[in-house]
Amino acid sequence: AQSVTQLGSHVSVSEGALVLLRCNYSSSVPPYLFWYVQYPNQGLQLLLKYTTGATLVKGINGFEAEFKKSETSFHLTKPSAHMSDAAEYFCAVVTGFQKLVFGTGTRLLVSP
Amino acid sequence: DTAVSQTPKYLVTQMGNDKSIKCEQNLGHDTMYWYKQDSKKFLKIMFSYNNKELIINETVPNRFSPKSPDKAHLNLHINSLELGDSAVYFCASSQALRDQETQYFGPGTRLLVL
Repeated sequence: AQSVTQLGSHVSVSEGALVLLRCNYSSSVPPYLFWYVQYPNQGLQLLLKYTTGATLVKGINGFEAEFKKSETSFHLTKPSAHMSDAAEYFCAVVTGFQKLVFGTGTRLLVSP
Repeated sequence: DTAVSQTPKYLVTQMGNDKSIKCEQNLGHDTMYWYKQDSKKFLKIMFSYNNKELIINETVPNRFSPKSPDKAHLNLHINSLELGDSAVYFCASSQALRDQETQYFGPGTRLLVL
């Protein structure tokens, strides 16, 4: 069964530093992978997704992720963190019939 | 213009009561979902509907009954509420029942059962 694992429940960075949030997937078929962001007391918003084609995917707010089949990874990066990036980030994989299976989430903390 | 809206935003109730949560989307989407987010932020799908037809029922207790009166609405009725039902419930929608489609989430309904 398809699943995702997010390494690190919390990641702390300084403003202006590189953001790296890790996601590894397990799938017997080519996966569709998603990153969602959840700001406090809000719903989830799509940051980016990988379906087919280019393995480097650019999303909103300066985020990007690279699909690496050899490493079964889909890590999320941003070159320079802003205070407004502080939120919970979820990696997810579709398992069929549009059933999204989420990772356990990573809370990003940004300090001044 | 809110794309996916849910009412109420907060719901505090006693054990044993029956309550409903409503969801509406104005995106013209065919597919709608209910997700549950527990206190540890873990998100899990409960149901999905496509064109008012139930597609996914993810081993949810039958105290939970979704109803889709039309493609734009998916309501969730919960009977005999239990303490463990306390969570945030998210409605979502997508254009079609295709795996690569983006799901758009509502703001959530925070349910607290006392």
